[in-house]
Formats: sequence, structure tokens, C-alpha cells
Amino acid sequence: DSGVTQTPKHLITATGQRVTLRCSPRSGDLSVYWYQQSLDQGLQFLIHYYNGEERAKGNILERFSAQQFPDLHSELNLSSLELGDSALYFCASSGGGSLNYGYTFGSGTRLTVV
Amino acid sequence: GQNIDQPTEMTATEGAIVQINCTYQTSGFNGLFWYQQHAGEAPTFLSYNVLDGLEEKGRFSSFLSRSKGYSYLLLKELQMKDSASYLCAVRGDNYGQNFVFGPGTRLSVLP
Repeated sequence: DSGVTQTPKHLITATGQRVTLRCSPRSGDLSVYWYQQSLDQGLQFLIHYYNGEERAKGNILERFSAQQFPDLHSELNLSSLELGDSALYFCASSGGGSLNYGYTFGSGTRLTVV
Repeated sequence: GQNIDQPTEMTATEGAIVQINCTYQTSGFNGLFWYQQHAGEAPTFLSYNVLDGLEEKGRFSSFLSRSKGYSYLLLKELQMKDSASYLCAVRGDNYGQNFVFGPGTRLSVLP
């Protein structure tokens, strides 16, 4: 157990729908990052939050949004889903003394859009 | 911006040694990381280099040359369980705000 919790582990939904992925960072970590990994692709950075504030945006579609709440958990909202959005979505956290060790990843949410 | 390059695939034999190379171009540099990722699972941290030289951790070692924008991960005494993707990642300017992963190298260990 890495200490980063992601729910749900699996999600199957239809095109056009909206889903919410949830992430609880490791205790003491203030930063949360979201990554998308499509089949046989690398990790694509989506967005970074630090202590409730958005800090950086990567290749995140306008249909996607995220937020980090006062208790530091984060949610990634994906709307108007398309088949191409099927992927593994990882959350990672850092900070709280883990600077030298980069990010700690959650186990991911596998999203399948049918 | 940042660009990270790794070989796409490598194959090696159980018990052998394999070296996975990574070259990078960054606007700033605050550390290079190697992660291991088994198919469908989360990446897990392997090593971290911020100064030039070799860092050894058991069967795994990682080397960095900042002047050449080059790193390698050395895996010794390969085991079947080492079959995985190995991701090189660079932290650039602004800690935590510019952390880019390479495309990963898929290593297959054969008996």
C-alpha cells in the first residue's frame, strides 16, 4: 500500500456520460497530480494541485476538470466521455518530506468508455 | 520545454545484466528519477539522482551525467519478475510543477 488511495479501481461507462475519480494523497503530502495513461502509452500529465490551489496544467482537455478539497483529497471530473478517454488514470502525491523521492502513485482507476 | 528519450523495448536473459539508457533536454534540472511499472499497475520508485555519478541500490544502480543530459539504469542478476516498463522522469524548474516522464522502456526477461 503506497498510502495514496484511488477510487474506484474500475469504471465502465457509456459515451457522453460524466464520471468522477477520487484520490486521497499520502498523509502529509500537500501536492496531488493527475496522469492519464492510454494503452501502451506513456504517462501524460493532466494537472497539479497544491494545498487546494491549481499549480500547473498539462494536456488536460476542456471536458476534464479537477479540484482539491480542504482535506486535501482531489477529484478528477471527466465529462462528455468519448471512446478515446478509455485509459488508466493515476493520481500521485508528493511533499511532506518526500521531495527526494518524487511522486508516490496510487493504484489507478481503469476507465472504460463503451 | 522538456524532452526525454528512451529505447522502446529491450530483451535480456534471466541472470544477465541490462542497461537502460535515458537522454533528456530540459529547461532546468532538479533531479532524475527511475520508476518501474508492471502492466496495469502503478509506477513504483526505484532511484533518484541529482548529482553526477552512480547510485547503487541492491541489484539496481542508476547513473547520471548532467553535462551530457544522460542517465542509465543498470539491472543486475535479472529475474523474471523484472519484466516491466522502466520510466525515466526528470524534475525541471519549480519543484513539483515540472515533472516529466519519458515514454518508458519495456523490458522482457527471458528464461
